[in-house]
Amino acid sequence: RKEVEQDPGPFNVPEGATVAFNCTYSNSASQSFFWYRQDCRKEPKLLMSVYSSGNEDGRFTAQLNRASQYISLLIRDSKLSDSATYLCVVNDPDSGYALNFGKGTSLLVTP
Amino acid sequence: DAGVIQSPRHEVTEMGQEVTLRCKPISGHDYLFWYRQTMMRGLELLIYFNNNVPIDDSGMPEDRFSAKMPNASFSTLKIQPSEPRDSAVYFCASTLSGLASETQYFGPGTRLLVL
Repeated sequence: RKEVEQDPGPFNVPEGATVAFNCTYSNSASQSFFWYRQDCRKEPKLLMSVYSSGNEDGRFTAQLNRASQYISLLIRDSKLSDSATYLCVVNDPDSGYALNFGKGTSLLVTP
Repeated sequence: DAGVIQSPRHEVTEMGQEVTLRCKPISGHDYLFWYRQTMMRGLELLIYFNNNVPIDDSGMPEDRFSAKMPNASFSTLKIQPSEPRDSAVYFCASTLSGLASETQYFGPGTRLLVL
């Protein structure tokens, strides 16, 4: 049973483009949601938390739809440095403080 | 400030050998997590500790895997005997209080190759 599902991509977009990633999660009791970023051969790092009302951090916008159990990440004005894998992360309410990670969506921004 | 420290960064070993991975969490963090990442399965939680006590080891694949945290600044993940299917990147992460809403800080990982 897949807890967190993401389209693996890859998404290849030109610089300046807008790109959106989606993710679905299976446990309706989950309360905490995140997007992590993982560069090639590096560790995952928190990009942003996702709040119920939606939130924005510069060029990045995250949305949560609890009814559909769906999370999205929108990146505007893509930069070459945005090339990475983006991991959708949801807490596992059945396991205390554990987090469930999606397999990630790969983004390549080209000149 | 030092982040999560892991050693070794790379390990190549032969099937049947014992492998020990090490982790030093961020000072003051009470929760420590061990993950395994593969292309097929993504990032999987193996075990986590709170104040040096194992809380949930349901992700440990089998008895060949064991983890300890003898003190607040050190944890080990041991595989004995190792098998080729154990080849993966093993990450250690820590958080301050372990709240589900809190950021987990990952170490650089140990790339394990079992031949």
